[in-house]
Amino acid sequence: EVQLVESGGGLVQPGGSLRLSCAASGFTFSDYRMNWVRQAPGKGLEWVSYISSGSESVYYADSVKGRFTISRDNAKNSLFLQMNSLRDEDTAVYFCARETRILTSDAFDIWGQGTVVTVSS
Amino acid sequence: SYELTQPPSVSVSPGQTASITCSGDKLGDKYVCWYQQKPGQSPVLVIYEDRKRPSGIPERFSGSNSGNTATLTISGTQAMDEADYYCQAWDSSVWVFGGGTKLTVL
Repeated sequence: EVQLVESGGGLVQPGGSLRLSCAASGFTFSDYRMNWVRQAPGKGLEWVSYISSGSESVYYADSVKGRFTISRDNAKNSLFLQMNSLRDEDTAVYFCARETRILTSDAFDIWGQGTVVTVSS
Repeated sequence: SYELTQPPSVSVSPGQTASITCSGDKLGDKYVCWYQQKPGQSPVLVIYEDRKRPSGIPERFSGSNSGNTATLTISGTQAMDEADYYCQAWDSSVWVFGGGTKLTVL
């Protein structure tokens, strides 16, 4: 079964750090680009970061640039998001999502169940 | 930065057609995806490349994209289609989501 499972969420104080993980199974992880997407309580989806299949390219939303770092370990089928200098507004459910090239365009075809990050003093 | 605008809510009667719009500058020049999200669940891809359906998505879901507006259409809407819907596009090395539309079937 194709699956993504996030972990590492929790309660952290403003200014603190957290590292999220996403474990992939059921597909060849190293063939796929990956993304992190978050959703604040009662709000919509917000794209956070992208990483290419071999980590050559990474992109970030302006809201997290300079504070978050995306990475992956293809040997361990894992995706990571290092979050530093956390702010109240980073409170959200964080999803990892597989990006698939379908015909000539890309889409997020597989999503994890999400991990909750709460930034609060 | 690029923005996608969706109506906050759309209502439809069971069996009728629901249309959800997504607006952005020259959006027709980009490919648009649509995701369905039900309460407490992860998003599900329902339309990719403007109008194509992934396997397992009912034929009542269709999409179009032209000019500055993409549209998700649900024909013969069912109660199970009640959910939040998000459009998505890629622009200048950034993925952008619309603000989401809550579809109510009543």
